[in-house]
Amino acid sequence: DTAVSQTPKYLVTQMGNDKSIKCEQNLGHDTMYWYKQDSKKFLKIMFSYNNKELIINETVPNRFSPKSPDKAHLNLHINSLELGDSAVYFCASSQAGSRIEAFFGQGTRLTVV
Amino acid sequence: KQEVTQIPAALSVPEGENLVLNCSFTDSAIYNLQWFRQDPGKGLTSLLLIQSSQREQTSGRLNASLDKSSGRSTLYIAASQPGDSATYLCAVDNQGGKLIFGQGTELSVKP
Repeated sequence: DTAVSQTPKYLVTQMGNDKSIKCEQNLGHDTMYWYKQDSKKFLKIMFSYNNKELIINETVPNRFSPKSPDKAHLNLHINSLELGDSAVYFCASSQAGSRIEAFFGQGTRLTVV
Repeated sequence: KQEVTQIPAALSVPEGENLVLNCSFTDSAIYNLQWFRQDPGKGLTSLLLIQSSQREQTSGRLNASLDKSSGRSTLYIAASQPGDSATYLCAVDNQGGKLIFGQGTELSVKP
């Protein structure tokens, strides 16, 4: 069973398009995250949701809009895609206040052309 | 502002060697520290989690230590194997789940 799953795994799209990446976790965790890994492999947090509420928003352009329909899902919608948005986007989940590790999805490689 | 640094950026060793990867962080007020492994084109796999009150954690050939006061952690890999080749990432949590990552150490173990 996949703990944190993201779709799609690869996404190639043109500048100016709008796209979404979906994430689901079956671990029963209450907190989900989106991280971005740039071309230099540096991972940085974008958003965090706890029980469907936005907790962390790391000065990400408002073209990026996360949506959490329930605590098992956190989707990322990106409007008006730019070349600089090309990166690998990772979804993760954890249980707030617990002593267990964060679990990451396999990543979505987004290429904007 | 928390900053995490990993040294070295890349490491190449012959099979069988014991090796140490280093991680340092600037703010010692952390909840925990986590070591991950990332294979090329793949996601992150959690290796070890050390709580702020702990000094070390062990899993198989891996041992991670934590010295909060000096802002350092090490990941020790015993008897390295070619299958250990990957990028190793250190991340600290000091804001309720938000992980701050280092740049990673790219490890290559030669047969």
